[in-house]
Amino acid sequence: GQQLNQSPQSMFIQEGEDVSMNCTSSSIFNTWLWYKQDPGEGPVLLIALYKAGELTSNGRLTAQFGITRKDSFLNISASIPSDVGIYFCAGDPPGNAGNMLTFGGGTRLMVKP
Amino acid sequence: DTGVSQDPRHKITKRGQNVTFRCDPISEHNRLYWYRQTLGQGPEFLTYFQNEAQLEKSRLLSDRFSAERPKGSFSTLEIQRTEQGDSAMYLCASSLFQDTQYFGPGTRLTVL
Repeated sequence: GQQLNQSPQSMFIQEGEDVSMNCTSSSIFNTWLWYKQDPGEGPVLLIALYKAGELTSNGRLTAQFGITRKDSFLNISASIPSDVGIYFCAGDPPGNAGNMLTFGGGTRLMVKP
Repeated sequence: DTGVSQDPRHKITKRGQNVTFRCDPISEHNRLYWYRQTLGQGPEFLTYFQNEAQLEKSRLLSDRFSAERPKGSFSTLEIQRTEQGDSAMYLCASSLFQDTQYFGPGTRLTVL
């Protein structure tokens, strides 16, 4: 089946720094989603992308749907301690009609105050 | 806030016992999904319902697993004869048709 490769697997940054993470696939996706998960909780939706080339912001977060439909990136500007968590990309492959999301392995973000 | 809710949040059981989890979706959502997440991994799809009909099941959903959504609202996921490999976080999500999926807080299962 389709796999999503997220990188980096983990990041340890200083508060105030910008963060960039990405997600790639060997197959195309119709939709790209970015979720954040805190320990012991479910994933919370951050940004949803529906068109190739789309660039969307949500506060300090910006995400783009790659033009090839095989990748996406998420940027966080001016990181703060509450940004700590695991960030997952998820995709909806063609022919799936939104039934089943495929998730990446996650990027663990740690922020040093 | 009427998001997706799951009960219980944590369950510890002995190998061989049966367990049942409940999910209450966002009220106007007609689709409900179950995912499983093991430590250090992203969620993996198990099954989904549209209203009361179970429309798709992953091969991860062995014969010991059964899910129901009898009235098209809440859903239950039952695991019979639990095994240690069933230890995971079980996540429920809901959506309005193929719109964005919103997740609940999950049920963490530990099988001793």
